[in-house]
Amino acid sequence: DIQMTQSPSSVSASVGDRVTITCRASQGVSSWLAWYQQKPGKAPQLLISSASSLQSGVPSRFSGSGSGTAFTLTISSLQPEDFATYYCQQTNSFPITFGGGTKVEIK
Amino acid sequence: VQLVESGGGLVQPGRSLRLSCAASGFTFDDYAMDWVRQAPGKGLEWVAGISWNSGSIAYADFVKGRFTISRDNAENALYLQMNSLRAEDTALYYCAKTSSGYSYANYGVDVWGQGTTVTVSS
Repeated sequence: DIQMTQSPSSVSASVGDRVTITCRASQGVSSWLAWYQQKPGKAPQLLISSASSLQSGVPSRFSGSGSGTAFTLTISSLQPEDFATYYCQQTNSFPITFGGGTKVEIK
Repeated sequence: VQLVESGGGLVQPGRSLRLSCAASGFTFDDYAMDWVRQAPGKGLEWVAGISWNSGSIAYADFVKGRFTISRDNAENALYLQMNSLRAEDTALYYCAKTSSGYSYANYGVDVWGQGTTVTVSS
């Protein structure tokens, strides 16, 4: 199975900060990597697919990069509505796996 | 576009439960569907996936042999038959629409239901 490791597990940041979350795969997943945002009590929302393709309606302050085993999600200027938990997911091969999540908290 | 799950509840260890998901607003038989779960206070776990025509089905190791995913394209419905339930299966179960006909090599889950809660306890 492909293990997805996210770091950090949590980050405290202020509005306007640049935040970077890393996701590493135990084996190469090409660009079959998605990022999700989840707010408390809500279902996850797809932010980025194919490692770097921004979903329609997602603010441009979100960006993704990487391929193979190393990926990053960057929020260029953190906004109040961005405080949430973020997950990466590989769909390269079965079983599909998620990272453990990164909680972005208010500093 | 909407996914509505049902069938969750409180069940004793070792018993069975069947979850259902009613899909609307999109061409159901064009897309693979997944079940994803989230234990209280924990992260997301992919449980199972089924391709558009049921020709490709896969499970997470921790449910293999106990859970069965199926779909009825005529009824726009997705199912998860859960047998031999364990306490560790307690979670919110999401029905999820993938972005292609297969659960692998796709562009992620672009539609989620609100989830149905399964609690396994004596």
